[in-house]
Amino acid sequence: DAGVIQSPRHEVTEMGQEVTLRCKPISGHNSLFWYRQTMMRGLELLIYFNNNVPIDDSGMPEDRFSAKMPNASFSTLKIQPSEPRDSAVYFCASRRTGTGGYQPQHFGDGTRLSIL
Amino acid sequence: AQKVTQAQTEISVVEKEDVTLDCVYETRDTTYYLFWYKQPPSGELVFLIRRNSFDEQNEISGRYSWNFQKSTSSFNFTITASQVVDSAVYFCALDSNYQLIWGAGTKLIIKP
Repeated sequence: DAGVIQSPRHEVTEMGQEVTLRCKPISGHNSLFWYRQTMMRGLELLIYFNNNVPIDDSGMPEDRFSAKMPNASFSTLKIQPSEPRDSAVYFCASRRTGTGGYQPQHFGDGTRLSIL
Repeated sequence: AQKVTQAQTEISVVEKEDVTLDCVYETRDTTYYLFWYKQPPSGELVFLIRRNSFDEQNEISGRYSWNFQKSTSSFNFTITASQVVDSAVYFCALDSNYQLIWGAGTKLIIKP
C-alpha cells in the first residue's frame, strides 16, 4: 500500500513568493495532520483535519499560512507571502480514527522548504 | 499539561556498545499512547514502537528494547550492540487526544 505522499520533496523559492505544499493521505485514513520541523522549535503541529474539516488550527503561525482539504485524498498547505523564517521541513501525517481501535499516525517523507 | 522530555540532546558511543535513550512524559490522561520514532539523516520519520498506557510490559524487537514504567512516567529505549546505521535522531512522543506531543529528540551518533 502507498504511504502518505508529499510533494514536492524539496522547494527553494524567493522571499515573497507563494508556496504550496501538497499531501495525499493513505486511502481510508480520515484524519490528516500538518507538522513543521525546525531546529529551534522541533516538531510542531500546525493543523489537524478530521473528515476533511479543520478541527484545530491553533498551531498555524499567522495569516500567511492556510491549509485546505477539499476531499479525503488531498490537502494543501499554502504560505503567501513566504518569508525566510518559514524555512523548515513540513510533514504531513494521516491516521484512521473511529472504529477498529487505536491507529497511529503515518508520516510522509516531508517537504524541505528553503526561502531565500 | 502534556509534555515530553528527552533530556539527552546528543549521545555518542562506539559501535557495539549498548545505549539507552531516556524519555519522561507528563499527562493527566488516564489513557494515552507513547511512541518512539527514528529520523535518519535522510529526514523521514520512521515509526518504531507504540505503547498504550495499560500495557507496561517491556518489549524487545531484535536489538531494540523498550522499558515503560508508569510509576516514573518514563518510556526508555535501549539499543543493544549498536551499529553505525543506528545513527539518527530519535524522538519520543505522547499521543494526547488527537495530536502527538513530541520530545526535542536525542541525536545518536554511533562511531565505527
